[in-house]
Amino acid sequence: AQSVTQLDSQVPVFEEAPVELRCNYSSSVSVYLFWYVQYPNQGLQLLLKYLSGSTLVKGINGFEAEFNKSQTSFHLRKPSVHISDTAEYFCAVSDWTDKLIFGTGTRLQVFP
Amino acid sequence: DVKVTQSSRYLVKRTGEKVFLECVQDMDHENMFWYRQDPGLGLRLIYFSYDVKMKEKGDIPEGYSVSREKKERFSLILESASTNQTSMYLCASSSRLAGEVGELFFGEGSRLTVL
Repeated sequence: AQSVTQLDSQVPVFEEAPVELRCNYSSSVSVYLFWYVQYPNQGLQLLLKYLSGSTLVKGINGFEAEFNKSQTSFHLRKPSVHISDTAEYFCAVSDWTDKLIFGTGTRLQVFP
Repeated sequence: DVKVTQSSRYLVKRTGEKVFLECVQDMDHENMFWYRQDPGLGLRLIYFSYDVKMKEKGDIPEGYSVSREKKERFSLILESASTNQTSMYLCASSSRLAGEVGELFFGEGSRLTVL
């Protein structure tokens, strides 16, 4: 069975500071990994995904994530956040299908 | 612009009522999903469908059923609503193309309150 753990439920940060949102997964098979973002009162949208190849994945809005197989992690990073990055971020894992297993989410709050 | 439309953003129902949540996508996607989102629990898969008239149970199907009579429409049905089904319900769709695996397109959600 697959599972995802997002270690931080909330991450407060000042504008222009760097941020890292942590995600660890468990799976007995090869996995695909994803980060989704949910802005207030909206549905989720895909931020980035890792299917294979380079372990450093770049996404939209300046975010990137690194797949670390030995540590079973897929942490999301941004070198300098903006107020508009305030949102909830979900890590997700799947096998070869579109049946995603989501984490519990991390609420990123960016303060001026 | 691609779109997944959920018919109701907010609903208030009474315990025991039958509730229909409708979802329509305009991207000709094969796959459609229903999730519920609760604070501290993230998104949990209720049902999904890989084709018309096909349905598969997700992780929490109890108390729910679905219908997919047309490719673009996926309905979630609560046969007899209960207060523990008060939640945000999210519909999503995706393509079966290999390069787009895991790329789900979500609707804006339907917030259901059961009194």
